[in-house]
Amino acid sequence: GEEVAQTPKHLVRGEGQKAKLYCAPIKGHSYVFWYQQVLKNEFKFLISFQNENVFDETGMPKERFSAKCLPNSPCSLEIQATKLEDSAVYFCASGDMNTEAFFGQGTRLTVV
Amino acid sequence: GIQVEQSPPDLILQEGANSTLRCNFSDSVNNLQWFHQNPWGQLINLFYIPSGTKQNGRLSATTVATERYSLLYISSSQTTDSGVYFCAVGAGTALIFGKGTTLSVSS
Repeated sequence: GEEVAQTPKHLVRGEGQKAKLYCAPIKGHSYVFWYQQVLKNEFKFLISFQNENVFDETGMPKERFSAKCLPNSPCSLEIQATKLEDSAVYFCASGDMNTEAFFGQGTRLTVV
Repeated sequence: GIQVEQSPPDLILQEGANSTLRCNFSDSVNNLQWFHQNPWGQLINLFYIPSGTKQNGRLSATTVATERYSLLYISSSQTTDSGVYFCAVGAGTALIFGKGTTLSVSS
């Protein structure tokens, strides 16, 4: 596709429930990036993939967060046992390293 | 890691005014992008500008890589320019975002 597609747009989970977010990158882009925007002006990098391989996971909380990019499937970000503090907008971006990155519209996760 | 500082943090303008937003970064980069996050939360690519000058309509940007800063110019501002402007840089890594400049344009 010509744009990064994120689903769902909104997700509400009770504390302790699982949340799964999806991202279809732009075709031909070899990198996928996930970011978390908690406070309105702060973007936190979570993880990046080069094709199906984890490239950089230095931002990922180790305990409850996991992510995958499998061939012929959207990439996914999963949060086990969600906490109130996980409430945020999660953005996915695709591109190639050191070239322009394009962002999806984000998934707003609300944990209640 | 690379530090990114944006100034000013907030800016209030009357429609028609011009403004300059600044982005300073602490180390050499080979990727720099400017984004506009509109009031609905959408991140819009404005410029990919690791060096040099670009213009797109009322917006232009200049990056002086050797001095580690970039400037975004908005001329004849309109109410639709309101939102948060982010600078993000990278050096063989994912983009690192500044904290943004929140722009409010009133009619």
